[in-house]
Amino acid sequence: GAVVSQHPSRVICKSGTSVKIECRSLDFQATTMFWYRQFPKQSLMLMATSNEGSKATYEQGVEKDKFLINHASLTLSTLTVTSAHPEDSSFYICSARGGIGRDTDTQYFGPGTRLTVL
Amino acid sequence: DAKTTQPPSMDCAEGRAANLPCNHSTISGNEYVYWYRQIHSQGPQYIIHGLKNNETNEMASLIITEDRKSSTLILPHATLRDTAVYYCIVRNSGYSTLTFGKGTMLLVSP
Repeated sequence: GAVVSQHPSRVICKSGTSVKIECRSLDFQATTMFWYRQFPKQSLMLMATSNEGSKATYEQGVEKDKFLINHASLTLSTLTVTSAHPEDSSFYICSARGGIGRDTDTQYFGPGTRLTVL
Repeated sequence: DAKTTQPPSMDCAEGRAANLPCNHSTISGNEYVYWYRQIHSQGPQYIIHGLKNNETNEMASLIITEDRKSSTLILPHATLRDTAVYYCIVRNSGYSTLTFGKGTMLLVSP
């Protein structure tokens, strides 16, 4: 299947700091990227959808000023958790859907980033 | 997008076929059935998808009933590494995204 990478895979930070997570589609150009969050023993919850070069669309209840999403190119999207607090500790997973090089309708997922805020 | 119903858990013996059911009785004509799985602490992995015909790839087979109200994912020879949560998702093609339910926890035992 298509390869989507995330970096870092695991991050621990202090409360009040900001954390940036990168998501890359390695073998296709992703016209749309998605960010999900997963709390322990729960399913994935969509946070936001972004199209390359456009502002992200956030799901209800997700603070756009807290979770900054940038999708500056067809292969890279970043999620920045600003002023992180312990309740932001979660598993963050990105997903990409491609227009060039892959089936345009299938979403491929990254391996996830485990964020722990102390 | 239509809602899906899956059993919360299933067991399978290693080497046997695992048949995972999914009910999507409200599916509409232009909605696809997607299957993903998530191994513990990893991102979801795409398995297969279909519209109305049965599909097969190197990972699994997807059997969709003629009325499209249900489907079955078949792992022909389950291995211990197939232990995961399996998600059946119905989605329009185009711009809609994937909405995850609770899925089925498949436990493959020796």
